[in-house]
Amino acid sequence: DGGITQSPKYLFRKEGQNVTLSCEQNLNHDAMYWYRQDPGQGLRLIYYSQIVNDFQKGDIAEGYSVSREKKESFPLTVTSAQKNPTAFYLCASRMTGSNQPQHFGDGTRLSIL
Amino acid sequence: KQEVTQIPAALSVPEGENLVLNCSFTDSAIYNLQWFRQDPGKGLTSLLLIQSSQREQTSGRLNASLDKSSGRSTLYIAASQPGDSATYLCAVRRGNAGNMLTFGGGTRLMVKP
Repeated sequence: DGGITQSPKYLFRKEGQNVTLSCEQNLNHDAMYWYRQDPGQGLRLIYYSQIVNDFQKGDIAEGYSVSREKKESFPLTVTSAQKNPTAFYLCASRMTGSNQPQHFGDGTRLSIL
Repeated sequence: KQEVTQIPAALSVPEGENLVLNCSFTDSAIYNLQWFRQDPGKGLTSLLLIQSSQREQTSGRLNASLDKSSGRSTLYIAASQPGDSATYLCAVRRGNAGNMLTFGGGTRLMVKP
């Protein structure tokens, strides 16, 4: 079955630690996205990538980094510079084309110990 | 800067009722508008996508309308069922580049048997 896999489902971070969230898709989509969702709120865009080896900052990129070395994979690193990392993180992908919707993974919940 | 608002934030209705969820946006220069469903602790599922040139889209018991000039969209759910209980989010696409979406805060719907 085609889809987007995010792992782990739950992640705990100690103060001063970097953590990496995994996002893999087998939909052959060109574009991939990372969003952050805080309780009771909508999604905010962190980073996006439209093609391998290229990515762009979204609205809240500070304290985060990404890479896009393979079409299928778009990992997100939450660095120690992100002072309030506790949130639900969602990865999405999309086939290029004007009418194509974004497809979402099931998310990773990150908490601070 | 585009802002998307959804009212009400939460809604509880008895089973069988027809209901309307509202979405408003501040900048009418949108490319398209999408409605998503989110179950607790899960990712988003795309329900309907309306292009800026369209007035409405229908899928089963769901009907979404778009009035770009007034900056409003509605999601109509006919004959609601307990299985419709979820959070519904609307999102507007900002332009042709990158398919970046701006999300509303969502409406949390509870349909009681």
